[in-house]
Amino acid sequence: TQLLEQSPQFLSIQEGENLTVYCNSSSVFSSLQWYRQEPGEGPVLLVTVVTGGEVKKLKRLTFQFGDARKDSSLHITAAQPGDTGLYLCAGATSGTYKYIFGTGTRLKVLA
Amino acid sequence: EAEVAQSPRYKITEKSQAVAFWCDPISGHATLYWYRQILGQGPELLVQFQDESVVDDSQLPKDRFSAERLKGVDSTLKIQPAELGDSAMYLCASSDRYLNTEAFFGQGTRLTVV
Repeated sequence: TQLLEQSPQFLSIQEGENLTVYCNSSSVFSSLQWYRQEPGEGPVLLVTVVTGGEVKKLKRLTFQFGDARKDSSLHITAAQPGDTGLYLCAGATSGTYKYIFGTGTRLKVLA
Repeated sequence: EAEVAQSPRYKITEKSQAVAFWCDPISGHATLYWYRQILGQGPELLVQFQDESVVDDSQLPKDRFSAERLKGVDSTLKIQPAELGDSAMYLCASSDRYLNTEAFFGQGTRLTVV
């Protein structure tokens, strides 16, 4: 059973456009991470959010943790071809120790 | 910069053969994970260690998969016998906190079973 659902599953956009990726769960997470993965490589950590309602910015990327710590979003402003990759959310639910991943969002930014 | 080391990077094996993957986590990281990832999907947790103890292996196909971390440092994941459906990327990650935040990943082992 996948506890973390991401949407959309696929996204193909033009360079310069904005986009938002969502990560949703019915479970509460003690913290949540976002990763980016390129083909043939392991996921690379982008950010960790811990507090409900928290917003973090990393250059053109804005991450938000839901108030109830059950969901998160990743917003990219003015996407560039270098943003292309598989975006993954991940975390451990409160009360368990399993570190699980979302279903993934495959982003392609066209020049 | 500290990183998680995995080997081999690529492995091709015939079905019914045995195959093993090795992982050396970041020094001092007590938690170690093995994941399996099908192309384009999110990683699926196979086994999670805290030091040398298994914390969770509920998704590990125990009839053919085994994992150990005898001294609480490096770890080995074994498949015997390999099946065609085992073809995937096998990722190792480690974390320095028991509550599993901020896992850091190795480059993975791409397994192809023919």
